[in-house]
Amino acid sequence: KNQVEQSPQSLIILEGKNCTLQCNYTVSPFSNLRWYKQDTGRGPVSLTIMTFSENTKSNGRYTATLDADTKQSSLHITASQLSDSASYICVVSARGDYKLSFGAGTTVTVRA
Amino acid sequence: ETGVTQSPTHLIKTRGQQVTLRCSSQSGHNTVSWYQQALGQGPQFIFQYYREEENGRGNFPPRFSGLQFPNYSSELNVNALELDDSALYLCASSSPGQGAPNEQFFGPGTRLTVL
Repeated sequence: KNQVEQSPQSLIILEGKNCTLQCNYTVSPFSNLRWYKQDTGRGPVSLTIMTFSENTKSNGRYTATLDADTKQSSLHITASQLSDSASYICVVSARGDYKLSFGAGTTVTVRA
Repeated sequence: ETGVTQSPTHLIKTRGQQVTLRCSSQSGHNTVSWYQQALGQGPQFIFQYYREEENGRGNFPPRFSGLQFPNYSSELNVNALELDDSALYLCASSSPGQGAPNEQFFGPGTRLTVL
């Protein structure tokens, strides 16, 4: 069964600090991995997408890494802002399968 | 903004009632997927429609049904509502061969509360 596990479940950081979110997956054969940001009660918005051959991808203050050998990904948020408070969801796609496998998300709260 | 719209934004129903949720896909997209997201959890796949045909289904009972129209907009219908159906319902549109593989664009969601 294709699974995506995220950690931590939630975290609180002070404005201006950095944080790293983790994603482990068992999806196979791997096609691509996305990180989404989801504000409370809203739809997810894509931050980054990485295929098998990509190790890192940045989108402003967000940097995602991928280790396809260990099936792990991380999302690093640099110099956090209050607007970064949201749920961050790791989504993995299997090659040849239209269905996506979603993690439960990590809820990030940035405090002033 | 993804160009995917959903209506209504919020809805309150009572147990046993029926509900219809609507989704307009992004221009040029012919595939719509529906997801149920309970509070604090990731989205769960309900089903997908491709060119007006159901293209796949998740682990949801038959009282969850859908339609896709010639303009590729879509409806999600839920009959005999149960309390556990309370969730955020997300619609995502995509088009095979466009963008990254399986790239889906999500709408803002419909918050359904069943009392």
